Amino acid sequence: NAGVMQNPRHLVRRRGQEARLRCSPMKGHSHVYWYRQLPEEGLKFMVYLQKENIIDESGMPKERFSAEFPKEGPSILRIQQVVRGDSAAYFCASSPTGNEKLFFGSGTQLSVL
Amino acid sequence: DAKTTQPNSMESNEEEPVHLPCNHSTISGTDYIHWYRQLPSQGPEYVIHGLTSNVNNRMASLAIAEDRKSSTLILHRATLRDAAVYYCILRRDNYGQNFVFGPGTRLSVLP
Repeated sequence: NAGVMQNPRHLVRRRGQEARLRCSPMKGHSHVYWYRQLPEEGLKFMVYLQKENIIDESGMPKERFSAEFPKEGPSILRIQQVVRGDSAAYFCASSPTGNEKLFFGSGTQLSVL
Repeated sequence: DAKTTQPNSMESNEEEPVHLPCNHSTISGTDYIHWYRQLPSQGPEYVIHGLTSNVNNRMASLAIAEDRKSSTLILHRATLRDAAVYYCILRRDNYGQNFVFGPGTRLSVLP
């Protein structure tokens, strides 16, 4: 059973471009969480999704950030018009239901030039 | 979400036991105590969780105080590969709850 897959592993964007981060949860998992981690800081919750639904987006910035988890395919975290402050590691986690332990991916390191 | 308090950092010698404390004085009756750890340049990984009774698994033991206001993660014999940031998290057993990570404890293991 493959783990949580995130791609790309590293993503470089120039200011003003769009960044798309993908997360394929473990087989059978229908709940996905996205977290952001700045260097030397802890994990900050961003959004929690179930298939086709956003359950909690209280950690998402109000502008430029969006997330989806369609019926088919991976979950996507989309950042429009990236700025240098968006540079961080973005981690995705999945769980089979809404109240079990999380399985994390290896993360996507976003660098904004 | 109920808050947890952990020391910023701890040190241990290799092959010795490590006790990582966590205070959660505002814990409620339905809050589970979860522990995760994050090795350098990796995503967090689940370690252990419990509700009231002490728990053991292949990675660690979790000792929960009788009043549940604190808990201790026990690594029985620390290895260099246990050097990581350890997070103690409370999670209500409700659908739709997210996991809120605090700053955690950075464990250094000395050879």
